[in-house]
Amino acid sequence: DAKTTQPPSMDCAEGRAANLPCNHSTISGNEYVYWYRQIHSQGPQYIIHGLKNNETNEMASLIITEDRKSSTLILPHATLRDTAVYYCIVRVYMDSNYQLIWGAGTKLIIKP
Amino acid sequence: DAGVTQSPTHLIKTRGQQVTLRCSPKSGHDTVSWYQQALGQGPQFIFQYYEEEERQRGNFPDRFSGHQFPNYSSELNVNALLLGDSALYLCASSPDRVGGYTFGSGTRLTVV
Repeated sequence: DAKTTQPPSMDCAEGRAANLPCNHSTISGNEYVYWYRQIHSQGPQYIIHGLKNNETNEMASLIITEDRKSSTLILPHATLRDTAVYYCIVRVYMDSNYQLIWGAGTKLIIKP
Repeated sequence: DAGVTQSPTHLIKTRGQQVTLRCSPKSGHDTVSWYQQALGQGPQFIFQYYEEEERQRGNFPDRFSGHQFPNYSSELNVNALLLGDSALYLCASSPDRVGGYTFGSGTRLTVV
């Protein structure tokens, strides 16, 4: 069962910041939030992950609320190549192993 | 540094046949996971291999089986193919069982 809820689609103007929300209200204290994106049925590409603190890398920033029930992925200056399906994922510990639980994703369309 | 390599890229099989998909993990990665992604949906976890053993399994029937070789490469076998098995099959490797997943571009299986 998916542990995340995302809007099915979003638009963003090229050059603006894209903010993708994700709800994970049932997340446990030791479960990480991961973000991947998938461009046109290629393999998913890792973006960023975090547990409690906000995280930033060369691709994006991840803002996690203090209660950890939701998070936001921020693409600071969206380009047309950022058009993709973005997945918010919870990594759970199950049967002595880690597993990624995927939601349905958000289709982000960057418009010129 | 090659990433995750999957073969073949596309495959068409007839209902009832058997299929074998192959995956070479990223250099330095010893854990391989397989996912099934139906059109328009997020990936669904099939199973994970580590040290040549199946460590965890998702909600898939026994028709789905796998193998991991000493060089960490892996195969996914599906017997008695059904039309519903048509999907993109993704392989992901990681340096351990914790995370850092890198995905391949997938094998598109069509069952007719």
